[in-house]
Amino acid sequence: AQSVTQLDSHVSVSEGTPVLLRCNYSSSYSPSLFWYVQHPNKGLQLLLKYTSAATLVKGINGFEAEFKKSETSFHLTKPSAHMSDAAEYFCVVSPRSGSARQLTFGSGTQLTVLP
Amino acid sequence: EAQVTQNPRYLITVTGKKLTVTCSQNMNHEYMSWYRQDPGLGLRQIYYSMNVEVTDKGDVPEGYKVSRKEKRNFPLILESPSPNQTSLYFCASSATPLEFRAGFSYSPLHFGNGTRLTVT
Repeated sequence: AQSVTQLDSHVSVSEGTPVLLRCNYSSSYSPSLFWYVQHPNKGLQLLLKYTSAATLVKGINGFEAEFKKSETSFHLTKPSAHMSDAAEYFCVVSPRSGSARQLTFGSGTQLTVLP
Repeated sequence: EAQVTQNPRYLITVTGKKLTVTCSQNMNHEYMSWYRQDPGLGLRQIYYSMNVEVTDKGDVPEGYKVSRKEKRNFPLILESPSPNQTSLYFCASSATPLEFRAGFSYSPLHFGNGTRLTVT
């Protein structure tokens, strides 16, 4: 069994300040973890993925995430927010091996960037 | 341009009137999947397909049907829509099944732009 919890449904930051979107997971297996971003009226786009190599993962648009097994966390960060980062972000967990249906999405975090 | 195309983008219908939402990808992907997105619930998988003529239920398959007769197309069928199927639907595809084997690298999901369905 697996689950993913995004701890904040909404996050607001000012442009130029750091972004932190929190994600905790639960998995019976060694997981793979992903962050997807959804801009308004668009489908989801992969930001970054963790699949057992380096625990600090760098993604597109300056985002990165750190896999912390002891804390079962995979928080998404960015040093300086840009207006174009305003979107909804989804944390996703999958077992490292298993069937394709075992992809579990978090409920999403809406990021607002204030000028 | 590599893409997943869903049609229509918006659909308003009445209870019980059969409808089909089409999904097509031009990347020769084996794996395709349908999700519904509801506020506060994230995305939930409806059905998925590992390849032509191979489909399986996801987490919320009730009230839906799918078919995979060609690699590029994966239509979602609602035989008798009900108001609780009002939702935002996404089709997605990937190059390989999301299954890890030794030396296998993960292939990300490519999403369509969504179909907003309202059933009255």
